[in-house]
Amino acid sequence: QLQLQESGPGLVKPSETLSLTCTVSGGSISNTNYYWGWVRQPPGKGLEWIGSIYYDGRTYYNPSLKSRVTISEDPPKNQFSLKLTSVTAADTAVYSCARVSGPRYYAMDVWGQGTTVIVSS
Amino acid sequence: DIQMTQSPSTLSASVGDTVTITCRASQSFGDWLAWYQQKPGKAPQLLIYKASTLETGVPSRFRGSGSGTEFSLTISSLQPDDFATYYCQRCHSSSLIFGQGTKLEIK
Repeated sequence: QLQLQESGPGLVKPSETLSLTCTVSGGSISNTNYYWGWVRQPPGKGLEWIGSIYYDGRTYYNPSLKSRVTISEDPPKNQFSLKLTSVTAADTAVYSCARVSGPRYYAMDVWGQGTTVIVSS
Repeated sequence: DIQMTQSPSTLSASVGDTVTITCRASQSFGDWLAWYQQKPGKAPQLLIYKASTLETGVPSRFRGSGSGTEFSLTISSLQPDDFATYYCQRCHSSSLIFGQGTKLEIK
C-alpha cells in the first residue's frame, strides 16, 4: 500500500531556507494518474495548500507563497521535495506531503504523517 | 483566485444528531470539490470527492452535495468518532485551495 514519509530539519532559522523531502513507497511518483503535493498547518490553524508537482515536472503553487516556494521531484529516488525561502516565524507549521489523485478528481487521497518545522533563532 | 469559505466555523451537536456544513466558493467552478476529516494530531482523511462521491470505506452517513459555488457536507446520526474538524477543498489541476475548516464539537 502506498505510504508517504516527510523528512527534514525540524528547526530552521529566520531568513533561511526550509527544505523537506517526501519519500514515496509502495508506488511510483512517475505514475501518470497521480501527482504530488505539499500542505501545511500552522499551530491551531487550518490547512494551507502550498503547491503541487505533476509527473512531467509541471508545478503549481499557492499564489500567497509562490515567490518563495520551489517543488521538485527525483524519480530515481521516488521522492519529491519542498523548498521555502526567507522563512519567518509565520512559516512554523506541520508540513505534510500528499498524493493528488487524478481518478479522484484531484482530491488528496493519501497523506504522510506530517513533520513539524519550527522557525526560530 | 477562488476563495473557499466554510460555515459555521464551529458547530456543537450531540450523538445522533444530523448536521450540515456549508462551503461557498467566490467563483463557480463545477463540482470538483473534496471534503476531509481531521482529528487532532492526525493527517486529514479524504471523505468525499467530486462533491458527492464517497471515498472507499467512508460510512454512508456522510453525504456531500452541491455544485457551482455552494456545497454542503451532511453527517447523519452523528457518532462519537465523527467529532473532528472538517475541511472542504476546491480541486483543480492548478489549485487545491482549502476552506478554513469547521470544528464539530460535542454539545
